[in-house]
Amino acid sequence: DTEVTQTPKHLVMGMTNKKSLKCEQHMGHRAMYWYKQKAKKPPELMFVYSYEKLSINESVPSRFSPECPNSSLLNLHLHALQPEDSALYLCASSDILTNEKLFFGSGTQLSVL
Amino acid sequence: GNSVTQMEGPVTLSEEAFLTINCTYTATGYPSLFWYVQYPGEGLQLLLKATKADDKGSNKGFEATYRKETTSFHLEKGSVQVSDSAVYFCALTGGGGFKTIFGAGTRLFVKA
Repeated sequence: DTEVTQTPKHLVMGMTNKKSLKCEQHMGHRAMYWYKQKAKKPPELMFVYSYEKLSINESVPSRFSPECPNSSLLNLHLHALQPEDSALYLCASSDILTNEKLFFGSGTQLSVL
Repeated sequence: GNSVTQMEGPVTLSEEAFLTINCTYTATGYPSLFWYVQYPGEGLQLLLKATKADDKGSNKGFEATYRKETTSFHLEKGSVQVSDSAVYFCALTGGGGFKTIFGAGTRLFVKA
């Protein structure tokens, strides 16, 4: 199984809503990532977890709250988002020993109204 | 710091044409180099990679050679198909960290 599965595929939320994005992989990867991608731009790194601990936070606003409950799951909790947060949110994983090739999910297309 | 520069798009080609997408990089040490492809409505997927100088990565008819002397990793394909229409990202990793540096992406349109 070389898949990274993200749910939901699409999400529309208001600025006062609370929602969560979910990501799952069963490749035994101990590094997991959240990226944000705006249209016609490359992915921008948001968070990195290694061995289920937060390793990198790229100065992301606190309205985005990541969580890694176990080695297979990664969540991104969303609260009080702004319209400019509308984007494609991509989860990725990698083998922590080689730390090179990223395996991406198909993403969640988020619209904030 | 590390950076990746790739040619501006979009690139529009007819089916069976030759493709080159230029990519150059700036990095300290010995980075690994990648090409990722993103089809519409999907995430990125690795197309090919090279981990040291003079390595050639290849996959699905695409090739790229790691040229340290010119700090380049140009993507080529001898005969493109309509199904190759996508966005292509050149990228590098290095220094033992978790950060992958992506280029801006080049959109390819292939006409039948």
